[in-house]
Amino acid sequence: DAKTTQPNSMESNEEEPVHLPCNHSTISGTDYIHWYRQLPSQGPEYVIHGLTSNVNNRMASLAIAEDRKSSTLILHRATLRDAAVYYCILSGKAAGNKLTFGGGTRVLVKP
Amino acid sequence: KAGVTQTPRYLIKTRGQQVTLSCSPISGHRSVSWYQQTPGQGLQFLFEYFSETQRNKGNFPGRFSGRQFSNSRSEMNVSTLELGDSALYLCASSLRGWTDTTRELFFGEGSRLTVL
Repeated sequence: DAKTTQPNSMESNEEEPVHLPCNHSTISGTDYIHWYRQLPSQGPEYVIHGLTSNVNNRMASLAIAEDRKSSTLILHRATLRDAAVYYCILSGKAAGNKLTFGGGTRVLVKP
Repeated sequence: KAGVTQTPRYLIKTRGQQVTLSCSPISGHRSVSWYQQTPGQGLQFLFEYFSETQRNKGNFPGRFSGRQFSNSRSEMNVSTLELGDSALYLCASSLRGWTDTTRELFFGEGSRLTVL
């Protein structure tokens, strides 16, 4: 399975943007990039996914590098509720489309 | 709409026993996946069921098994429990099955198993 590399932790101030990087240099051409987050004492929840183009939804934006070897999840205005572990995951048909979670980035939001 | 429901939420077992965990997916979802989460190994994929058939399997020993019923509810079973099986077991359901690379998984809150 293609692997992702994320920083262990990041800190942000409330109402400021947060940029979460993810490296996936072994991504294949058909792999999708997914982001999930896990709030304390909860199961993971979907954030966003993309293939090649940048994506936006109500929760976040996903910026994908032109060579697709890295991506960045952008939380535009962090709130205390955004404190969570954020997982960058690749999924593709070669691996049965299963989501293989890595270590994730723990985001701390300071008031 | 009700979310993914997992039961029991907490349970304690002793080594050598077996355990069965239950997962009720979101209504209309036919795919159910199971994950094990531990502090040391993180979230690891166990298996996925769709239309009562196992479609994907992770790298776990045969002591870990599962099944899915015709109403899409799923159970997983762990036999001959070991101390290392202590974990949070998460179930996720999705509307689309394993052939869809873009499907969104909806997770339950998990069943926390402690093995003494």
